[in-house]
Amino acid sequence: DAGVIQSPRHEVTEMGQEVTLRCKPISGHDYLFWYRQTMMRGLELLIYFNNNVPIDDSGMPEDRFSAKMPNASFSTLKIQPSEPRDSAVYFCASREASSGGGDEQFFGPGTRLTVL
Amino acid sequence: AQSVTQPDIHITVSEGASLELRCNYSYGATPYLFWYVQSPGQGLQLLLKYFSGDTLVQGIKGFEAEFKRSQSSFNLRKPSVHWSDAAEYFCAVGNSGYSTLTFGKGTMLLVSP
Repeated sequence: DAGVIQSPRHEVTEMGQEVTLRCKPISGHDYLFWYRQTMMRGLELLIYFNNNVPIDDSGMPEDRFSAKMPNASFSTLKIQPSEPRDSAVYFCASREASSGGGDEQFFGPGTRLTVL
Repeated sequence: AQSVTQPDIHITVSEGASLELRCNYSYGATPYLFWYVQSPGQGLQLLLKYFSGDTLVQGIKGFEAEFKRSQSSFNLRKPSVHWSDAAEYFCAVGNSGYSTLTFGKGTMLLVSP
């Protein structure tokens, strides 16, 4: 398996532009997570899905952020309009469902977003 | 709500020396505990995990961690550090349903020759 795939790996955009980050989870995984990593706040969970359904989006910072998972093999995180403070590395992770708990989350390589 | 504290932001260790990275968690029930490693420009990779049973768990790359309930700790250790171990290390705790993980701020490990 190729692991979790994220695109693009780097994105540079100007303030006010729309940004779309993409993620392909590992085949067969039921959970998908979006994280944001910054120096100041560390690794924060933004939203997660179970079987393509958003379960908890309490970590989404503002209405400018939205996430979708139209099918089991694809998810997007959209920022519209983008602001300089959105600059960060965004990670997607996925994992299998587990009855006993504890299966690891597999992380993608991340998308480094710079908003000028 | 659960939380994780990694008190050391940076640690420098000489190559060949032993390593211990500290992690303290706050959680009301039996926690699910993880250590991940992040190399520059890469995603996070799981080193080891603890759910139950033996409190000393072995992981990849020669790492181990010990769960101490009385101290709410899950410290990561390695007897002899290699230059390739230089990276950032994250401790994480899983919630009761193990739906989500809460990560610590990370500890950056520097390895000196």
